[in-house]
Amino acid sequence: SAVISQKPSRDICQRGTSLTIQCQVDSQVTMMFWYRQQPGQSLTLIATANQGSEATYESGFVIDKFPISRPNLTFSTLTVSNMSPEDSSIYLCSGHQGNQETQYFGPGTRLLVL
Amino acid sequence: DQQVKQNSPSLSVQEGRISILNCDYTNSMFDYFLWYKKYPAEGPTFLISISSIKDKNEDGRFTVFLNKSAKHLSLHIVPSQPGDSAVYFCAPLSTGNQFYFGTGTSLTVIP
Repeated sequence: SAVISQKPSRDICQRGTSLTIQCQVDSQVTMMFWYRQQPGQSLTLIATANQGSEATYESGFVIDKFPISRPNLTFSTLTVSNMSPEDSSIYLCSGHQGNQETQYFGPGTRLLVL
Repeated sequence: DQQVKQNSPSLSVQEGRISILNCDYTNSMFDYFLWYKKYPAEGPTFLISISSIKDKNEDGRFTVFLNKSAKHLSLHIVPSQPGDSAVYFCAPLSTGNQFYFGTGTSLTVIP
């Protein structure tokens, strides 16, 4: 299994600013993902964080709005850029180890944009 | 396009009784299905899974049933305990290792 931590756990931000969320895994994972859970909604996949290359974004999500880095097998960042109140959500990262079918999730980052 | 639906947003069950959570999907390419459990302010945690080659998988109090022809799966919890109160997500896995989460069912087990 893998233990995943995220920083910050929560934040309140002003519109127009940007926030970078960090995700740290305690062991190497082959794949890392970023999800969003808006109020009353399910988890929606934003992108797959690829090590050493550009992330793969799902429909409706773009790199300019959600730039992602993954410099190594245990760390990734998601930036929420030029925030608006609609970006208020919980952002979760997850890791998948290639020989297992499960994903392990971080505790999430609660973001409120005023 | 919601590929995974959990039509019951909430469910209340008496302690000791059976809890049945349902999930329907539309994509016939899904070949592995997982259930996740989520407490408030925590990330989802893996609960139980089933491969498309099976129709049932059991782990203690938790059993998952899969009906591929109907594109339907269900999670049974017997007996239900107050600590089971949480939001449960059905999550089919596609061949690209992408998860598609259902909308979730909030289970409340009443002592």
